Amino acid sequence: KNEVEQSPQNLTAQEGEFITINCSYSVGISALHWLQQHPGGGIVSLFMLSSGKKKHGRLIATINIQEKHSSLHITASHPRDSAVYICAVGQETSGSRLTFGEGTQLTVNP
Amino acid sequence: EAGVVQSPRYKIIEKKQPVAFWCNPISGHNTLYWYRQNLGQGPELLIRYENEEAVDDSQLPKDRFSAERLKGVDSTLKIQPAELGDSAVYLCASSRTGKISPLHFGNGTRLTVT
Repeated sequence: KNEVEQSPQNLTAQEGEFITINCSYSVGISALHWLQQHPGGGIVSLFMLSSGKKKHGRLIATINIQEKHSSLHITASHPRDSAVYICAVGQETSGSRLTFGEGTQLTVNP
Repeated sequence: EAGVVQSPRYKIIEKKQPVAFWCNPISGHNTLYWYRQNLGQGPELLIRYENEEAVDDSQLPKDRFSAERLKGVDSTLKIQPAELGDSAVYLCASSRTGKISPLHFGNGTRLTVT
């Protein structure tokens, strides 16, 4: 069992739909990161959070420390949101090392 | 601020040849990471530097991979000799020192070994 698991692996939505990507982890963490990767592109950090909720534009990230679960929500999705979304956790015991999920491939159709 | 800069963007080599990747982190970022990402998978840490010191290289295949970060700024990652299985995207990232610091990634180097 991976220490960081994301679901779904693939997600196809219509433009305008509300999207949720989930991340569960099994270790104690110091912080959780949500990252975005476009095809052929580098990785962009969307959020880093250790508690509660953060919002940036149409993106919302939440984390429940007790349940070891985080969600990334996209409101009013757009084709340009199509990318791979990666959850990564910084473990309490490993300093700055991140453990990555395998990513969720999101495709938003017009 | 300028982002993390990596070069080259793409590299195609034959197996058994050497190859090197270069990374210039964001100014002031003491922590530098090299990751390898295979298609359809999340990044895998190869090595992490705090300034010029490699503090986590447990995942680096030391028989063929080497890295250096002279003067604690730029870094190079080398593979010699390359194998077919080394084909992947090599990502460099940097952050300020500390457990809770956002990571900034470069665009990566896509390596194809033929």
